[in-house]
Amino acid sequence: ETGVTQSPTHLIKTRGQQVTLRCSSQSGHNTVSWYQQALGQGPQFIFQYYREEENGRGNFPPRFSGLQFPNYSSELNVNALELDDSALYLCASGGSQETQYFGPGTRLLVL
Amino acid sequence: SQQGEEDPQALSIQEGENATMNCSYKTSINNLQWYRQNSGRGLVHLILIRSNEREKHSGRLRVTLDTSKKSSSLLITASRAADTASYFCATDLNDYKLSFGAGTTVTVRA
Repeated sequence: ETGVTQSPTHLIKTRGQQVTLRCSSQSGHNTVSWYQQALGQGPQFIFQYYREEENGRGNFPPRFSGLQFPNYSSELNVNALELDDSALYLCASGGSQETQYFGPGTRLLVL
Repeated sequence: SQQGEEDPQALSIQEGENATMNCSYKTSINNLQWYRQNSGRGLVHLILIRSNEREKHSGRLRVTLDTSKKSSSLLITASRAADTASYFCATDLNDYKLSFGAGTTVTVRA
């Protein structure tokens, strides 16, 4: 158990729709990062939030956005869903050490 | 783009045998980490090795790092069925942002 939770566990959406995924980080962890993991691939860094501000983004379009809240929870929002957005979405929280603690992920299927 | 690449892509061994997997990366790093993932679930941190370290041990795990060759290896000794999983190396780009390879899938046969 890493103390990081994600909801929902599974989700099915239709192309063009919007989705919000949620993550609850470990208490005291100031950073939360989101990763996308396509089937058979390694996780790809989407973006990171530090103290509620975006602190770096990977190679993902603006339709991927996020929020971090003072209570150590965060959201990943994806607009105008595409078929290629089907993946496992992982959030990871970290404190002052380099180790990242990952949640169990949300599996998104876009039809 | 992904910084690291693991080799081999898949590995099948008998229980009790050792498993070795390698990771190569492209640019300078602060540290390199190894993670395990069971059945498409969340990743579990296994071990971190800093750029000024050459070898590190944790239980049945041994990690080496060769910064001149930009490569790392993970050795799992005396493997068990519970070690069946995918293993990923990750390099720390900066500010705890990780770049992962595609992973090595390890199957331990009873």
